[in-house]
Amino acid sequence: EDQVTQSPEALRLQEGESSSLNCSYTVSGLRGLFWYRQDPGKGPEFLFTLYSAGEEKEKERLKATLTKKESFLHITAPKPEDSATYLCAVQALGYGAQKLVFGQGTRLTINP
Amino acid sequence: NAGVTQTPKFRVLKTGQSMTLLCAQDMNHEYMYWYRQDPGMGLRLIHYSVGEGTTAKGEVPDGYNVSRLKKQNFLLGLESAAPSQTSVYFCASSESGDYGYTFGSGTRLTVV
Repeated sequence: EDQVTQSPEALRLQEGESSSLNCSYTVSGLRGLFWYRQDPGKGPEFLFTLYSAGEEKEKERLKATLTKKESFLHITAPKPEDSATYLCAVQALGYGAQKLVFGQGTRLTINP
Repeated sequence: NAGVTQTPKFRVLKTGQSMTLLCAQDMNHEYMYWYRQDPGMGLRLIHYSVGEGTTAKGEVPDGYNVSRLKKQNFLLGLESAAPSQTSVYFCASSESGDYGYTFGSGTRLTVV
């Protein structure tokens, strides 16, 4: 069974204090790993897709990396507007549709 | 460009009542999905569709039915609502590719 575990469940940082969020996964064969951002009362918003170990992608203060067992979302010098819940999801090989299995998310709070 | 639109945004049902949630997308996406999001459980797939006229069961399909009569619309039905179906429901769509999902803004359903 495909599983995704995110840690920590919640993280509170001061503005400018860099940190990382973890996404550990178990999947029969990884087709893609996805990161999303979700603001309160809204639907998740797509951030990145990673496909193979060693791959990295960046967007503003966010950088996502991938190994064979986990992915990290690094946040450099965060600002209050980076506060959100960050979701990780995996897509396994062999799925006819793009079915994603999601983790429970990490709720990030950046204090000014 | 509206993306994915869900109606209604909020609804309160009594146990045993029925209702239909509507999802409409204007991006000509082939794949559409219904997820529910519960505290501590993450997003779980209810049903999905790989094209007009097709539907398939996801992880938690019991108590729900779906229809995809038109490519742009995906309907989620609750025939006899139960308190366990209190949740936030998200519709999403995607292309046949690796661009991630586009989510709607959600429907908050309370069954009393």
